[in-house]
Parts: sequence; C-alpha cells; structure tokens
Amino acid sequence: QSVLTQPPSVSGAPGQRVTISCTGSSSNIGAGYDVHWYQQLPGTAPKLLIYGNSNRPSGVPHRFSGSKSGTSASLAITGLQAEDEADYYCQSYDTSLSGSGVFGGGTKVTVL
Amino acid sequence: EMQLLESGGGLVQPGGSLRLSCGASGFTFSSYAMSWVRQAPGKGLEWVSTLSGRGGNSYYADSVKGRFTISRDNSKNTLYLQMNSLRAEDTAIYYCAQDSPAYGDAFDIWGQGTMVTVSS
Repeated sequence: QSVLTQPPSVSGAPGQRVTISCTGSSSNIGAGYDVHWYQQLPGTAPKLLIYGNSNRPSGVPHRFSGSKSGTSASLAITGLQAEDEADYYCQSYDTSLSGSGVFGGGTKVTVL
Repeated sequence: EMQLLESGGGLVQPGGSLRLSCGASGFTFSSYAMSWVRQAPGKGLEWVSTLSGRGGNSYYADSVKGRFTISRDNSKNTLYLQMNSLRAEDTAIYYCAQDSPAYGDAFDIWGQGTMVTVSS
C-alpha cells in the first residue's frame, strides 16, 4: 500500500476536465514537502509533468495543472485529448521514512 | 541533450547478485544527485535509492536497505546499483533518474530502464 493515495482510474471524454487526487498525511504532503507529478505512457519511462506542486517544465502543455492544499494535492487535465491516456503518479517526501521519494500508487487515465 | 542509459539487467536466481550501471551524458554529472526507481511488472513506481552528487550521502528504501548499495564514479559519469540477496519481489524495471534542483529535486531526466528478473 502506497504512502500517497491515488484513485486507481479516472476517465473522461475528449475535451472534458478530469482531476486526480493525491492524499498524504502530516509526515509528507502536510509537512510542507513539494508534490511532483509524472506521466507514463504505455511502454515508456515516466516523464516529469508538474514540479513544485504547480509548475510546468518547458514543453508541458498548459492543459496540465497542479495544486496542493493541506495533506493533499491534485492534478487537473483540461481539454482532455486522446494522447493524454496514460498512467499518472504523484511523488513527495516523507519524514517518517528513511530518505527520499515516495510515490502514489498511480492513476490510469482513460479517454472515452 | 541530457541522457541516461541503464545496463546490467538480466535473469538471476533468488539469493544472487547483480550490478546495474547508468551512464550519463549531456550534463555535469557530479553536480546532480542521482536516484534509482523501480517498477514491478504491472505495478506502480517505487523509489529505491538516492546518492548525492559527490557521493557522500546515500538513502535507501526500507525494502532494499542492507541488500542494495548505490555508488557513482564521477570520472566515468556513471551511477551504479549493487544488488545482493535478491528476492522474487525485486523483479522490476529499474530506472535511473536525475534529481533536478531546478525542478525542486523532482526526477527530471529518466533512462529507458533495465529489466531485472529474479527467478529460479
């Protein structure tokens, strides 16, 4: 069971908005650690999508956005496109564990 | 272009050992902490280990502590993961990744991964 909790799947029609939640606790997200988001297309390595809770690396479309509040974070995809069908992972840090990153269990986004 | 290329994966028996390598190019390797992240077949991502740029500080997930050792040779721009006492549950694709201070220490650059299978 992952330290960060994500829904296993979300779906939406093209053009719709979907959100993915990432729920943590006072020892990780709630402790003030940043949340990062990754996109993993089938058969490929993960790609950094959002860093520092809400920032997009260059080249990431504006339809991807992130936010954080309290012990949770969210990734939103507005104007869903077929190429957005992928697995999405949140990542943060945890004071109760030995060191560095902790990941959410991942969310499969399906474009209907 | 910044690139990472893993090698060294393969089939190993339970209790055996394997050393993974990750070659870096396109950036000043010694300036960046580097990490290993793994993904079991059909499962999610799991952080394994991180090593600071000069190699002085290392961190491990509880699931591998005492069995895996992360190291680096900055003169060869290469990151390593020595894996001992391997178990079936260590079967996974192993990715190396660059920790990017510019991106809040997120894992910015990823290799393509190398598959490790632990089975008799």
